[in-house]
Parts: sequence; C-alpha cells; structure tokens
Amino acid sequence: QKEVEQDPGPLSVPEGAIVSLNCTYSNSAFQYFMWYRQYSRKGPELLMYTYSSGNKEDGRFTAQVDKSSKYISLFIRDSQPSDSATYLCAMKGGANNLFFGTGTRLTVIP
Amino acid sequence: EAGVTQFPSHSVIEKGQTVTLRCDPISGHDNLYWYRRVMGKEIKFLLHFVKESKQDESGMPNNRFLAERTGGTYSTLKVQPAELEDSGVYFCASSRQGQGGEAFFGQGTRLTVV
Repeated sequence: QKEVEQDPGPLSVPEGAIVSLNCTYSNSAFQYFMWYRQYSRKGPELLMYTYSSGNKEDGRFTAQVDKSSKYISLFIRDSQPSDSATYLCAMKGGANNLFFGTGTRLTVIP
Repeated sequence: EAGVTQFPSHSVIEKGQTVTLRCDPISGHDNLYWYRRVMGKEIKFLLHFVKESKQDESGMPNNRFLAERTGGTYSTLKVQPAELEDSGVYFCASSRQGQGGEAFFGQGTRLTVV
C-alpha cells in the first residue's frame, strides 16, 4: 500500500470553476501537509503548507486537513488557465523527508 | 534570493557510464534533500543532508549512488555505473534548520540512460 494516494486525473474544468483536489494517506504520524504545483519541465513549487488539522486560506487557494480521516484537500476558487499544472500533495512526520502523491494533472479551459 | 539550482537540466548517457548531478541549495539552508521521480511513479525520497552530514540515506536505491555535500554547501549525486532503470527526474530541495521548515525544490535534472 502506498503511503499517499492521489487520483492522477486528468481533470479538466472550465475557467471560473471551483476545483477540488484530494489525497488520502495511511501513516498517522504525518503532521505537516503540503501542496505543490508543478508546471511542465519545472520543479515543484510550494503552494500551501499546513500543520496538523484545520483550514488554511491564501487568496484563491484553501487547504484542508482532516487527520481523523487521513484526508487532505486543496480547493481552487475562480480557476484560471494559468492554474493548469500538476498538483502534488506531500506530507511528513517526525523525519524531514516528504512523501508525495503521484500528482493530479489539471487543465483549466478558457 | 536565488532558488535551488540544479545542473545539468538534462543528461543522456549510455548504460555503464558515470553521471554526476549537482545541486546548489538556497543560501543559509542547512537541510538538503535529493528526490527522484521515475516515469509514472510518485516523487520518492533518496537522502537528506544536514549541513555536510548525511542524516538519512534510507531512500538510496543501491551502492551505485553516491551523494556528497562539500562543506555544507552544494551537493553532488553520482551514479556509477548507470543502469537503464536509473532514468528519471532527479530533484534537489533545501529547507532551513529544523524539522518544520518548508522545502523548496530545484527544477530537476532529467536523466536518460540508453
């Protein structure tokens, strides 16, 4: 069983739609949860960083963590064509190394 | 502030040859990590340096991989001899001292072994 499960998509939405991206995990020791955005041929770019359960909002992006369900989400409001990318969830526990999902490829259609 | 920089961006080598990848972390970041993504799979951890010391190398696939971090600054990852299954994208990341620091990634080195 993988440590982190993420639906690879692809996911296509019209411009302006609300996007919901999700990951589940199995290791209850994970405490730090991240979402990275990766454009083609580029490195992962940190979008959201949260500790433990709860919500965090940054502009059009909202990250949610539900540790009781081992489930994390990223919501993108008013999606734009420039949001088209692969979104990676990542998490870590006591050690510093990250465990990644496979990534969800998102396309926002103008 | 400069980000994490990796060289080269792309390398094509023959099976059995040696390749050395380089990573320059963000200045002041004590933690340096190497990750790898093989086609169709998730990004996976290889190893972690704290300054010049290897903190965790549990993800290194085998002894054909050798990582060093000279003086706690830049790091190199050498693959010798390269095999076909070593093909993938190798990412370097760095973060500040401590456990909760955010990791910033380089653009990656795409390695193709033919």
